[in-house]
Amino acid sequence: DSGVTQTPKHLITATGQRVTLRCSPRSGDLSVYWYQQSLDQGLQFLIHYYNGEERAKGNILERFSAQQFPDLHSELNLSSLELGDSALYFCASSVEVRSPFQFSSYTFGSGTRLTVV
Amino acid sequence: GEDVEQSLFLSVREGDSSVINCTYTDSSSTYLYWYKQEPGAGLQLLTYIFSNMDMKQDQRLTVLLNKKDKHLSLRIADTQTGDSAIYFCAEFPRDISSGSARQLTFGSGTQLTVLP
Repeated sequence: DSGVTQTPKHLITATGQRVTLRCSPRSGDLSVYWYQQSLDQGLQFLIHYYNGEERAKGNILERFSAQQFPDLHSELNLSSLELGDSALYFCASSVEVRSPFQFSSYTFGSGTRLTVV
Repeated sequence: GEDVEQSLFLSVREGDSSVINCTYTDSSSTYLYWYKQEPGAGLQLLTYIFSNMDMKQDQRLTVLLNKKDKHLSLRIADTQTGDSAIYFCAEFPRDISSGSARQLTFGSGTQLTVLP
């Protein structure tokens, strides 16, 4: 158990629907990152939240949104789902990086496998 | 922009050494990482190297870094069937002016298959 919890583990839904993926970070970590892993795109960074505030956006579609709550858990909302959104969605957490020379790594959850049919 | 490249597949015989290669583009990365993903699981940190080092050894793992060529490699000695997994290299580019970190940028992953 990495300490990062993602639910649900599997999700099957129809095109056009909306789903919410949930992530609880490791205790003490204030940063949450969302990544999408698909066969043809590899591991793509979607969005980063730090202590409730959005810090960085990557290749996140406008149909997708995320938030981080006061208890630090995060949710990734995917709407108007398309077949191409089928992928593994990972959440990772980390401590705050204050210096370029500070070691930091991410702790990953086991992912949510989304299948859009 | 940042672009981390890896070959997609590698097959080795059990007991042989495996070498997984990676090239990265952002010289501001102070740390470079190797993550391992086993089937059905998330990524877990395998090892890392600080950018002022050329080599780091950790039991069966050896990381080599060539900063001039922006080349990173992971050698696994005496490869076992349990080493079969996807291996990702990753860089952590920094915003030099502010010192703040951007996010981990991953390569496409190398699927290592260990044959008995």
